[in-house]
Formats: sequence, structure tokens, C-alpha cells
Amino acid sequence: NAGVTQTPKFQVLKTGQSMTLQCAQDMNHEYMSWYRQDPGMGLRLIHYSVGAGITDQGEVPNGYNVSRSTTEDFPLRLLSAAPSQTSVYFCASSYSGQADTQYFGPGTRLTVL
Amino acid sequence: QKEVEQDPGPLSVPEGAIVSLNCTYSNSAFQYFMWYRQYSRKGPELLMYTYSSGNKEDGRFTAQVDKSSKYISLFIRDSQPSDSATYLCAMSAWNDYKLSFGAGTTVTVRA
Repeated sequence: NAGVTQTPKFQVLKTGQSMTLQCAQDMNHEYMSWYRQDPGMGLRLIHYSVGAGITDQGEVPNGYNVSRSTTEDFPLRLLSAAPSQTSVYFCASSYSGQADTQYFGPGTRLTVL
Repeated sequence: QKEVEQDPGPLSVPEGAIVSLNCTYSNSAFQYFMWYRQYSRKGPELLMYTYSSGNKEDGRFTAQVDKSSKYISLFIRDSQPSDSATYLCAMSAWNDYKLSFGAGTTVTVRA
């Protein structure tokens, strides 16, 4: 199993550009989520999904969109990038929700100029 | 005030020392308590998982939860250079939609 994969590993954007961060898992997990990690802030939940076709907002959803058309994939879209979105982004999956073991991807380091 | 507070560190200890990491929290509904380990430029991985109060031991690692004080701890015995990482506490209430993470403590074990 590859586990949770994320692409790209690094990305530099200009303010106002849009992009999609890709996340895929091959463990047949129903629950997937996106976090951002900033120094001194820990991991903060952006959006999550409890299954294909079902998504909901986390703590810091503004400026991000998600969709879940398949069990395996959970892309995160930045609509109009801002410098405040400079961060490391992690995708995670689990069998049954946030209280279950979360399997994290390797992360995407995003810089917005 | 943050929901979960974690000693910021960083901690630097000699090989073989005991490492003590702590978090406090404010939400009395938290029931699931976890410690994740994150190596540099990697994703976090689950290290310890505890439900409700009590102690749990796994090899050199011991997790303690004191719900009356809203305080959790992780102890690493006989620390090794390979234990050098950032340790994140995380917790959740029953049926909660999210995990609440501490900011993380970076630990360096010197050979």
C-alpha cells in the first residue's frame, strides 16, 4: 500500500493564482481531511469528508474548496491564493473519523508571494 | 486562549535521559487522547492512543491522562537520537468532527 500520497511536494504561487493540491489514499478509508500547519499554531483542520459526496468545513475553511467524488481522492482547491495561505498542507485519512488513527500524507509546502 | 496548550520547548537532552512532554486542555468533553510524532519535513504518525483517564505503556513510551486536572503527559525512557522529532498532542470528544492539536514540542536527543 502507498498509504496517503500528496502532490505536489512544493509549490510557489503568486497572489491571486489558483491551484489544486492533490490527495489520494489506497486504504479504503471513508474519512479524509485537510490540515494546515503553521509555526506555533499546530495543525488546524480546513475541510473534512466522511465519505464520497459528503464534505464539511473545519476550523479554517475560508479561501479553500474541496470535493469528494471517489473514496480514494480528496483534492483541495485554493481559489485565489493569498500570502496568509503560505503553509504546509497535510492530507489525512482514517477508517471512522477524527478519534480514529489518522494516517497523514508527506505534506505540500506552499509559498504564496 | 487555545483549546490545547503544549509546552513549546525546544527540549535538548543527552542520550539515555527521560523526556517528559505535557499538554493541558480546557474542553472537559475530550475523551480520546493521542500523541503524534513528526520527523522533520514528514507527516505526523500516531505514537500513542489513550481513551479516557489512566496510563498506557508501549516499550519506552508511557502516556498518562489526568482528566480531573485536564493534563496529559508523554514520557520517553532511555531516549535515543532516533527519538529526535516534534511531538504533537491531539485530543477529541466523542463524535467530534475534529482533532484539536497542540502546537508541538521539538525534542533533540544528543548522542
